[in-house]
Amino acid sequence: AQTVTQSQPEMSVQEAETVTLSCTYDTSESDYYLFWYKQPPSRQMILVIRQEAYKQQNATENRFSVNFQKAAKSFSLKISDSQLGDAAMYFCAYRSGSAASKLTFGTGTRLQVTL
Amino acid sequence: GAVVSQHPSWVICKSGTSVKIECRSLDFQATTMFWYRQFPKQSLMLMATSNEGSKATYEQGVEKDKFLINHASLPLSTLTVTSAHPEDSSFYICSASHRDNQPQHFGDGTRLSIL
Repeated sequence: AQTVTQSQPEMSVQEAETVTLSCTYDTSESDYYLFWYKQPPSRQMILVIRQEAYKQQNATENRFSVNFQKAAKSFSLKISDSQLGDAAMYFCAYRSGSAASKLTFGTGTRLQVTL
Repeated sequence: GAVVSQHPSWVICKSGTSVKIECRSLDFQATTMFWYRQFPKQSLMLMATSNEGSKATYEQGVEKDKFLINHASLPLSTLTVTSAHPEDSSFYICSASHRDNQPQHFGDGTRLSIL
């Protein structure tokens, strides 16, 4: 079974600064996807960024980028120029590449953004 | 983009009541839907996978007679919490995917409170 580990229950960053959220996973599969989801107080699940395991290039979405280290099974999220609206729970998630696969979530990291 | 509609957003009811939650994909044919449960300050835990026209696949430890899932038509899956008790109080959230390589899209969730 796949597992996803987020070792940072809480993180804090000052506005306009950069923060990195850690995520590691364990799998024996070669075909899979990795995601970062944001859950603000409204509890909506918002997709931040995704990474296909077969792609070597790190995914980037505006201020959000990942550092995907496949051999180390590490998938960290970097948020640049942090904004107050970035404050939320961030969940790392794994999904197998096979059909109709479920998401396996990490325990989450609560990000605080301070002035 | 793709949208998943979930309602009701909040339910408060007496112990012993059965509660039905609907999840509908609005602009794509979701052949597979997923139901998650989230306790306060915890991660999302998959309860079951709902496939159109067939029986749902439940995760270990989830009572299928307690949490009835119906997915008779492509865009709609329902979760019925039967004879709900206070320990069933939680946040329930559904997601849907229309292609294997596409990320899941989440509904806005349902906060269930059993008195």
